[in-house]
Amino acid sequence: ETGVTQSPTHLIKTRGQQVTLRCSSQSGHNTVSWYQQALGQGPQFIFQYYREEENGRGNFPPRFSGLQFPNYSSELNVNALELDDSALYLCASSTRTTRWDTQYFGPGTRLTVL
Amino acid sequence: QKEVEQNSGPLSVPEGAIASLNCTYSDRGSQSFFWYRQYSGKSPELIMSIYSNGDKEDGRFTAQLNKASQYVSLLIRDSQPSDSATYLCAVNEGGGSNYKLTFGKGTLLTVNP
Repeated sequence: ETGVTQSPTHLIKTRGQQVTLRCSSQSGHNTVSWYQQALGQGPQFIFQYYREEENGRGNFPPRFSGLQFPNYSSELNVNALELDDSALYLCASSTRTTRWDTQYFGPGTRLTVL
Repeated sequence: QKEVEQNSGPLSVPEGAIASLNCTYSDRGSQSFFWYRQYSGKSPELIMSIYSNGDKEDGRFTAQLNKASQYVSLLIRDSQPSDSATYLCAVNEGGGSNYKLTFGKGTLLTVNP
């Protein structure tokens, strides 16, 4: 166990709806990164939060947004859901105390868009 | 577009054999390299990290890095059926403020009893 938790475990939504996914980072970790993993693919970087600010973003549209809270937990929000948003959403926490940063993943949230 | 390529697999080896997994990356500025194991339906689990050229051993796992060739590999000795999983290679630019990981598509390994 990495100490990173995510909720909910599974979620079913319909096209056009909005969804919020949550992540609690490992104790002592101040950075949270979000990834999307489609079936049969490697995880794709969505964005990263460090000290409550977005710090780097991948090739995802603005309808993917996030927040980080003072306790370093984080939310991923997706608006106007599309069928292709169906995926495993992973958050990973890290410390950024050294150059050689290691990211530890939570169990993920499986999102299905119908 | 920074890319990480892995041999497509699937890779099948008998129990007790050595499994060899390979990965190449396009960004010469990459600084740190990781192997994650992912069981079906689960999240990636870190098994090895490597930062310097050469070999790094941890139990039955050995990671090898060659920055000149932009190549990183993972050897699993005495493979066990419990090693059957998808292995993801991930590369991190390191340094600066951007610590995103770029992943390959993964190689599915099956270890046959």
